[in-house]
Amino acid sequence: AQTVTQSQPEMSVQEAETVTLSCTYDTSESDYYLFWYKQPPSRQMILVIRQEAYKQQNATENRFSVNFQKAAKSFSLKISDSQLGDAAMYFCACLSQGGSEKLVFGKGTKLTVNP
Amino acid sequence: EADIYQTPRYLVIGTGKKITLECSQTMGHDKMYWYQQDPGMELHLIHYSYGVNSTEKGDLSSESTVSRIRTEHFPLTLESARPSHTSQYLCASSAVSNTEAFFGQGTRLTVV
Repeated sequence: AQTVTQSQPEMSVQEAETVTLSCTYDTSESDYYLFWYKQPPSRQMILVIRQEAYKQQNATENRFSVNFQKAAKSFSLKISDSQLGDAAMYFCACLSQGGSEKLVFGKGTKLTVNP
Repeated sequence: EADIYQTPRYLVIGTGKKITLECSQTMGHDKMYWYQQDPGMELHLIHYSYGVNSTEKGDLSSESTVSRIRTEHFPLTLESARPSHTSQYLCASSAVSNTEAFFGQGTRLTVV
């Protein structure tokens, strides 16, 4: 079974500063993918960034980057130069290949960006 | 914007009524998912499907049922709605070859 744990229910950051959201996961599969999704208030969930477990290099998408520590089963998201539009719920998720291939989410972290 | 649609967006219904939440996608995705999102925003997987005639129960036990008769359509049915079913329901889909899941806008269900 897969589990995803986000230990920070809420985080806040000043505009233009950097913030890191934490996530740990557990899966018995060797082939899996990790994601960070963003859900703005009253809007659709969208993908922020994706990491393939077999890739050692950390994924980067503009101001968003991850710190993937496979041995520790840790997958944190760093948001640089935070903008007001970054305010949202952020969900960490894991998709294991093989077996059930379910997309499982953590409980989410609410990010507030202060002007 | 993703081509996945959920209807209705909002629904208020009385206890005991039968309801069907619709989810359709035009991307030809084989995988589809239903999540229940509670007031604390946590997402619980309640059903998923790998393709036509394939459905599985998720991690959260649910009294709802689903069907997958067509690739593009994955409706969720509650035979007898109860106040405990009040929640937001999110539908998502993804291609086998691409792991990104696309989400609908959700249906906010209130059972009174």
